[in-house]
Amino acid sequence: GAGVSQTPSNKVTEKGKYVELRCDPISGHTALYWYRQSLGQGPEFLIYFQGTGAADDSGLPNDRFFAVRPEGSVSTLKIQRTERGDSAVYLCASSLNPGNYGYTFGSGTRLTVV
Amino acid sequence: EDQVTQSPEALRLQEGESSSLNCSYTVSGLRGLFWYRQDPGKGPEFLFTLYSAGEEKEKERLKATLTKKESFLHITAPKPEDSATYLCAVQATGGSGGFKTIFGAGTRLFVKA
Repeated sequence: GAGVSQTPSNKVTEKGKYVELRCDPISGHTALYWYRQSLGQGPEFLIYFQGTGAADDSGLPNDRFFAVRPEGSVSTLKIQRTERGDSAVYLCASSLNPGNYGYTFGSGTRLTVV
Repeated sequence: EDQVTQSPEALRLQEGESSSLNCSYTVSGLRGLFWYRQDPGKGPEFLFTLYSAGEEKEKERLKATLTKKESFLHITAPKPEDSATYLCAVQATGGSGGFKTIFGAGTRLFVKA
């Protein structure tokens, strides 16, 4: 596609529920990144994929968070047993390769846990 | 620990009043420094990449410069449409051999007509 697409744009869920956030990167971009952004803060790194594999998942806060990219294109960020502190905007970005290039970001998914 | 600090947190300018935003960084294995613009409700939009000290990049009213410890984003004669949050980010070699980009908290710029 022309840009990075994230769905849904907004998600409200109850504490303890499971959620999935989807990212459709730019076609041909092999590198894909997930970030989390809280109000007034910069994006916080979560995980980076090169192709199908997670090259660096050191930013995932705990084992409730998991992400996959089974075919090297679309990625899904999965959050189990959501907590109110998980509320944030989850941003996805892609780049042509993992070199020192600027990323193209999606508009994010705003997750609210009530 | 890798760190990116931006100042000021917020900046209010009159239209036409030039100024600079600062980004200081501490990182091992710097691969590049990036500037992004973020509008409310949107993802960051890539502006520039700087790779080495002394390098400069320009785009319209914006010019980015880089030293060994910091980067500046100079805004010349800003217009109200330049109002946004400007994010600085550094890319370093990650612990697992990958590339991790670390963002600062941003500077919120308000330009009044």
